[in-house]
Amino acid sequence: NAGVTQTPKFRVLKTGQSMTLLCAQDMNHEYMYWYRQDPGMGLRLIHYSVGEGTTAKGEVPDGYNVSRLKKQNFLLGLESAAPSQTSVYFCASSIRDRVYEQYFGPGTRLTVT
Amino acid sequence: GQQVMQIPQYQHVQEGEDFTTYCNSSTTLSNIQWYKQRPGGHPVFLIQLVKSGEVKKQKRLTFQFGEAKKNSSLHITATQTTDVGTYFCAGASGNTPLVFGKGTRLSVIA
Repeated sequence: NAGVTQTPKFRVLKTGQSMTLLCAQDMNHEYMYWYRQDPGMGLRLIHYSVGEGTTAKGEVPDGYNVSRLKKQNFLLGLESAAPSQTSVYFCASSIRDRVYEQYFGPGTRLTVT
Repeated sequence: GQQVMQIPQYQHVQEGEDFTTYCNSSTTLSNIQWYKQRPGGHPVFLIQLVKSGEVKKQKRLTFQFGEAKKNSSLHITATQTTDVGTYFCAGASGNTPLVFGKGTRLSVIA
């Protein structure tokens, strides 16, 4: 099992550009999450999904959109990147019966100039 | 909204010394989780506490959940260089998503 994988690992964007981050998990987990991690800020939830075709907003959803078309994939989109979105983005997943035992991917380091 | 605070923000210890990090919530929690993130790595789940006053041990790590279910602690006995990293607590109330503390970064000097 690969667990949770994220693509790409690194990316540099210019202000106003768009991009999509891909998260994939092969553990058949129902729940998936997108977090951002900034220095000294811990992990903050952006959006999450409790199942295929459903998404919900987290603590810091503004400027991001998500889609969960397939159970194993969770996409995070930035329509018009801003320097404030420079961060490390982590995807995570969990099973329904153990929601808070989350498995994290290796992260994507995004820089917006 | 719910807030989870952790102290200290940083801790430097000599190898062999003990280490404790504390977590406090602004609201009563249903459960609390602890995660560890090695430098340059991703968070890894350590444990979940659910019951009031619960104490769990994993080798040299001892986790406690307060009686009022608003605070928690992680204690490491006789730290080793392999303990280096940032320790996060993360709590939830009811069926809400996890709220992470800002973490305590542990450095161990050999």
